[in-house]
Amino acid sequence: DVKVTQSSRYLVKRTGEKVFLECVQDMDHENMFWYRQDPGLGLRLIYFSYDVKMKEKGDIPEGYSVSREKKERFSLILESASTNQTSMYLCASSLRAGGSYEQYFGPGTRLTVT
Amino acid sequence: GQQLNQSPQSMFIQEGEDVSMNCTSSSIFNTWLWYKQDPGEGPVLLIALYKAGELTSNGRLTAQFGITRKDSFLNISASIPSDVGIYFCAGQVLLKRGMNRDDKIIFGKGTRLHILP
Repeated sequence: DVKVTQSSRYLVKRTGEKVFLECVQDMDHENMFWYRQDPGLGLRLIYFSYDVKMKEKGDIPEGYSVSREKKERFSLILESASTNQTSMYLCASSLRAGGSYEQYFGPGTRLTVT
Repeated sequence: GQQLNQSPQSMFIQEGEDVSMNCTSSSIFNTWLWYKQDPGEGPVLLIALYKAGELTSNGRLTAQFGITRKDSFLNISASIPSDVGIYFCAGQVLLKRGMNRDDKIIFGKGTRLHILP
């Protein structure tokens, strides 16, 4: 089974803090994704990565950055957290080869910024 | 940009009833995926569809890739309490010839399923 893990299930941070959300997958997937999920807005793509050290902006990259130093690990960074970044953050991974677009999700990190 | 319209937004049904939900778009899709999300958890992939007209089952769940490639539906038969959750459709848009492959998918906003005792 594909396993995607996220470093924290719940996180509370103060405005202005630097926040790191870590995601690890164990299926040797090339693609990794970060989404945020908010009521009424569905899943919105923040950033994704096709390979180590590669990153692409998604639909809402402002206020976020990412790092992919190893194939299995994709980090989301909030340089200076703000209250409007309070949300559920979901990491996903997928294979690049073979025409499969199936994304497998981690359990999510519920971040609260006070 | 491409959008997926998922309906209904929410459903209230009695245990044992069958459920049907669908996703439509004005764009042609290459792939349809259906996910379920339990409260406080990440979405879990239920069914993947890759060919127009394809009908695929996973236990009590059945999904179909529409012939026009612009829609898909998900049916749940004989609902049980653990079916409660949010169901998302997701799709990969058919790329124009010559474009690089894009591994992003687009998500519908979800159908929230409630089961009445």
